[in-house]
Amino acid sequence: SQQGEEDPQALSIQEGENATMNCSYKTSINNLQWYRQNSGRGLVHLILIRSNEREKHSGRLRVTLDTSKKSSSLLITASRAADTASYFCATDGVQAGTALIFGKGTTLSVSS
Amino acid sequence: GAVVSQHPSRVICKSGTSVKIECRSLDFQATTMFWYRQFPKQSLMLMATSNEGSKATYEQGVEKDKFLINHASLTLSTLTVTSAHPEDSSFYICSANDRYNSYEQYFGPGTRLTVT
Repeated sequence: SQQGEEDPQALSIQEGENATMNCSYKTSINNLQWYRQNSGRGLVHLILIRSNEREKHSGRLRVTLDTSKKSSSLLITASRAADTASYFCATDGVQAGTALIFGKGTTLSVSS
Repeated sequence: GAVVSQHPSRVICKSGTSVKIECRSLDFQATTMFWYRQFPKQSLMLMATSNEGSKATYEQGVEKDKFLINHASLTLSTLTVTSAHPEDSSFYICSANDRYNSYEQYFGPGTRLTVT
């Protein structure tokens, strides 16, 4: 099963621009995480935001979480060609030890 | 940091044969491991939850007799794709929960299965 939608499904930008991806989910969560996946490769964990947090930063990444709207956004500032990848949000349940449920993902293409 | 390995990383098999994929937590104990499947250009879909010493819990639509899961120790879970067909070709990814910090989940690098 999947939690919900991410939008946009695909995003093409120029180097130096900012990229914003959105994620919505359906059920109550404990944490929401963002992952990156390069084509044909495994997942790279980017950032985790807890349900009692509203915003978190890590380098060029900024994540927001609105639990009332059951949505999150990932902002990548000053994008680089190396940021080209698919980005997924993933949520867990309120109980410890539950599986992560992934959104459908956003494919980001950054051209130089 | 916690490391999860998968073996093999790539496998090609003939239709009708069985393939076993191993998922190991290298430096922590995992009471629960999860198996995901990812088709090209799609997201990860949870297949099953594997608990050490007990039967796996499968998601709706996943055939338990086709995808055999064994979690015999706190560091190893195996997924066996039985009587594989070309439509089983996919990227299989496992993840493991740290026994002492169940909210932390670590992903393996994935196994690319191609059935010819």
